[in-house]
Amino acid sequence: NAGVTQTPKFRILKIGQSMTLQCAQDMNHNYMYWYRQDPGMGLKLIYYSVGAGITDKGEVPNGYNVSRSTTEDFPLRLELAAPSQTSVYFCASSYSGSTEQYFGPGTRLTVT
Amino acid sequence: EDQVTQSPEALRLQEGESSSLNCSYTVSGLRGLFWYRQDPGKGPEFLFTLYSAGEEKEKERLKATLTKKESFLHITAPKPEDSATYLCAVHYSWGKLQFGAGTQVVVTP
Repeated sequence: NAGVTQTPKFRILKIGQSMTLQCAQDMNHNYMYWYRQDPGMGLKLIYYSVGAGITDKGEVPNGYNVSRSTTEDFPLRLELAAPSQTSVYFCASSYSGSTEQYFGPGTRLTVT
Repeated sequence: EDQVTQSPEALRLQEGESSSLNCSYTVSGLRGLFWYRQDPGKGPEFLFTLYSAGEEKEKERLKATLTKKESFLHITAPKPEDSATYLCAVHYSWGKLQFGAGTQVVVTP
């Protein structure tokens, strides 16, 4: 099993550009999550999904959008990138809402 | 406001020098507390889940304990390969974790 995979590993965006961060898991997990991690701060939940077709906002959803059309994939869309979105983004998945979450390797995004 | 606070922010240990990391929380309705290890440039790696006060879990040189307001991660006789940032996270609502900022541990030979 590959676990949770994320692409790309690194990306530089100009202000106002858009992009999609890809996330996939092969563990047949129902729950999937997007977090951002800033230096000296804890991971912050952006969006999560409890199954295909069902998504909900986390703590810091502004400026982001998600969709979940399959159990395996959970892409994160950034529209009109801003410098405040410079961060490391992690995707995670879990079997249920109460079990441990497994994280991908992260995407380091810089917006200039 | 629900908070998760980890201390110290950074810890430098000699190989073999045991120590403890603290995770205190004010989250009400705790559903579980998770410990993760994060190496530079990588995603967090799951270590333990604790569900109730008094519970303990062990893995190699690591032991996690839980009380009603805090959790400790004890590192016994650490080795350089234990160098990492250790994160705790509190499960406060279905599917939602609140993370602390982490403790960066450096173990020198």
